[in-house]
Amino acid sequence: QSALTQEASVSGTVGQKVTLSCTGNSNNIGSYAVGWYQQISHGAPKTVMFGNSLPSGIPDRFSGSKSGTTASLTISGLQPEDEADYYCSTWDYSLSAWVFGGGTKLTVL
Amino acid sequence: EVQLVESGGGLVQPGRSLRLSCAASGFTFDDYAMHWVRQAPGKGLEWVSGISWNSGSIGYADSVKGRFTISRDNAKNSLYLQMNSLRAEDMALYYCAKGSRDGYNSPVDYWGQGTLVTVSS
Repeated sequence: QSALTQEASVSGTVGQKVTLSCTGNSNNIGSYAVGWYQQISHGAPKTVMFGNSLPSGIPDRFSGSKSGTTASLTISGLQPEDEADYYCSTWDYSLSAWVFGGGTKLTVL
Repeated sequence: EVQLVESGGGLVQPGRSLRLSCAASGFTFDDYAMHWVRQAPGKGLEWVSGISWNSGSIGYADSVKGRFTISRDNAKNSLYLQMNSLRAEDMALYYCAKGSRDGYNSPVDYWGQGTLVTVSS
């Protein structure tokens, strides 16, 4: 069982806004910056958000936020190329380890 | 452009050792923490180990503690993972990843393409 909880699957249509969530606790999300990682067709992960920063080359339709012990990744104006698995991750100081969510499979209908 | 190129993966028998390497370029290597993250076939991402910019802080997942050793050579812009006493459950694609700051509790911002480790007799 993953330390961080993500939806198993989310779907949306082209142009729609979708939000993926990642729930942890005060030892991880509540205290540290969260990273979001996109993995298309089992290829190498790509960072789409870390902390409040958008990596270079990532379109600004991706945005991240955090409230308490839940982090969210919002994709505004969903595109077919956004279909992928998305993982959240952060540091957990009680475990002294990086923890990942189980991943959300985003389907673009 | 940030590039992380892993090497050293392959087929190894249970109980044997393997050393992974990661050659980094496109950024000031000794300014940033580095990580190894793995993904078993059909599974999610799992953090294996992290090391701060100057090797002063190092951490391991419980699943590899005592068997794996992470190290870095800042003069060679390289990251390493020495894996001993390998088990079937260590079989995975191993990714080298760059931290976004000097401490290894900072999120990853770049990933390599991975190197495959197969553990089988």
